[in-house]
Amino acid sequence: DGGITQSPKYLFRKEGQNVTLSCEQNLNHDAMYWYRQDPGQGLRLIYYSQIVNDFQKGDIAEGYSVSREKKESFPLTVTSAQKNPTAFYLCASSKRGGSYEQYFGPGTRLTVT
Amino acid sequence: QKEVEQNSGPLSVPEGAIASLNCTYSDRGSQSFFWYRQYSGKSPELIMSIYSNGDKEDGRFTAQLNKASQYVSLLIRDSQPSDSATYLCAGISGGSYIPTFGRGTSLIVHP
Repeated sequence: DGGITQSPKYLFRKEGQNVTLSCEQNLNHDAMYWYRQDPGQGLRLIYYSQIVNDFQKGDIAEGYSVSREKKESFPLTVTSAQKNPTAFYLCASSKRGGSYEQYFGPGTRLTVT
Repeated sequence: QKEVEQNSGPLSVPEGAIASLNCTYSDRGSQSFFWYRQYSGKSPELIMSIYSNGDKEDGRFTAQLNKASQYVSLLIRDSQPSDSATYLCAGISGGSYIPTFGRGTSLIVHP
């Protein structure tokens, strides 16, 4: 079964700690994306990557970091520099070329106290 | 600034009725459009894509695109309570692969 997995589903952290969110896909998609969604808000793009070992900042990259060492994996680290990290984090992937339809993983809900 | 606008709703329709969801976009270069359904607490699920002017039907769903007027709509026929969700509209400009998402319209289908 092809799809995108994110883990964990729920994550609780204390303020000041870095935390890494996992995203894996077996759709053979080249492009991967990280979004953040806050209650009543739209999706905001954090980082995206079109190919392995290359990624670009999105609209709200401050306080986040990513890596793309494998085509299948695009982990997101939420650092202590992120002022308001509590949110619903969504990973997506798409083919490179064509329509660029994005498919989303189930999401990780991060709560920082 | 590329924008995709949606009425936040909620749009309330009775079961069995047609639900009409609308979306306007600012970038005339936008070429691909998508509708996602997002249940509360869940991730968005792609339900329709449309690339050319006119209508595209898939089961109870019909997407409509009018590039001259810069709007996209989604019609849901025979609405069911299980259709109650937030519907996100997204568009991609030619030459880009990053979609611009609207904030979504909340749909409530009541029995």
